[in-house]
Amino acid sequence: IAGITQAPTSQILAAGRRMTLRCTQDMRHNAMYWYRQDLGLGLRLIHYSNTAGTTGKGEVPDGYSVSRANTDDFPLTLASAVPSQTSVYFCASGTDGAGELFFGEGSRLTVL
Amino acid sequence: RKEVEQDPGPFNVPEGATVAFNCTYSNSASQSFFWYRQDCRKEPKLLMSVYSSGNEDGRFTAQLNRASQYISLLIRDSKLSDSATYLCVVRGSSASKIIFGSGTRLSIRP
Repeated sequence: IAGITQAPTSQILAAGRRMTLRCTQDMRHNAMYWYRQDLGLGLRLIHYSNTAGTTGKGEVPDGYSVSRANTDDFPLTLASAVPSQTSVYFCASGTDGAGELFFGEGSRLTVL
Repeated sequence: RKEVEQDPGPFNVPEGATVAFNCTYSNSASQSFFWYRQDCRKEPKLLMSVYSSGNEDGRFTAQLNRASQYISLLIRDSKLSDSATYLCVVRGSSASKIIFGSGTRLSIRP
């Protein structure tokens, strides 16, 4: 059982480039989330999706977009990367209303 | 003021010691509470949920105090493998209202 898979695990990117972080889950969870984690700031919600076809903005959505075409996939796109987007990105999923979130292993992104 | 606050630590304690962390939250409408564990350069994983009546799982005890708006985690007989960052998580009524604390770093020494 894969659970939740993120790709790539690590990427170095030039500023101004477009980048999509992929996230796939096989647990049939309704809700999916993208967080970024920075030292001293903890996990901050970027975007979320309660169910396929719907998305919402989290705490730090600027510069990021998401789509949820189906239950399993929830890609995060940086249209034009900036150095402040250097971070570790975690995708998570969960059943709507339940507490536990299941996280992917993270994508470490460096924007130069 | 942050919605969820934790002492960042680090807490450095000897093996076998008892250690406790607190976490405070600002939104009195928060509905559910959790402790997650995160190892270095790994993803967070659920350690335990926190119930109003308090709950225990082996060496770990979690408690909730709604009146004072804090949750606590107690680790008894600490092991070297308990070394990690412990994240407090507070959840509201909507998917966007899952707030993570910045984490408390725990280091257990032999």
